[in-house]
Amino acid sequence: AQTVTQSQPEMSVQEAETVTLSCTYDTSENNYYLFWYKQPPSRQMILVIRQEAYKQQNATENRFSVNFQKAAKSFSLKISDSQLGDTAMYFCARGGGANSKLTFGKGITLSVRP
Amino acid sequence: NAGVTQTPKFQVLKTGQSMTLQCAQDMNHNSMYWYRQDPGMGLRLIYYSASEGTTDKGEVPNGYNVSRLNKREFSLRLESAAPSQTSVYFCASREGTGNYEQYFGPGTRLTVT
Repeated sequence: AQTVTQSQPEMSVQEAETVTLSCTYDTSENNYYLFWYKQPPSRQMILVIRQEAYKQQNATENRFSVNFQKAAKSFSLKISDSQLGDTAMYFCARGGGANSKLTFGKGITLSVRP
Repeated sequence: NAGVTQTPKFQVLKTGQSMTLQCAQDMNHNSMYWYRQDPGMGLRLIYYSASEGTTDKGEVPNGYNVSRLNKREFSLRLESAAPSQTSVYFCASREGTGNYEQYFGPGTRLTVT
């Protein structure tokens, strides 16, 4: 089975600091996408950032950026200037293949301390 | 534009009861998905429909059935609920043109006693 691994179950960061969430994945596809989803206490799944595997440039969305290492199959999320509203569970996911299914990691609970 | 909607938001069932979770999307997406979320397990795919008229099993299909009623609607049925099906269920949709991003509904919290 092609897997997505988030090895850290939880992390904590001080408000305004920077935190990095790690993710590794396994795939035999050449064309695939990687995602980070945020799930706040409201339970809604919110897309934070996406990365196309064929693009070498790391994706950036405001305070969120990724470090995509294709050869190492690593896809970490960096959150800069952490805010209290960033407190949530974060899921790494890989999409691709003929049926374009998403495979999710187990998630990491991030707490931002005031 | 409501996106992906799910009903109900909460449900309590007794073991052996049946129910159908409803999902609809108004984005004209081709593909739709049902996931379950359990603590420490992430989201796992139950069934999906790559296009109208087709459905396929995902990672954890046992105990469930699905119907792709039309392009907009994709329902999930539990014929005889079991406590192991206590979970949060998410429906998602995807445009289907190569963009693998999925859009999620608000989820249904189901408890089977």
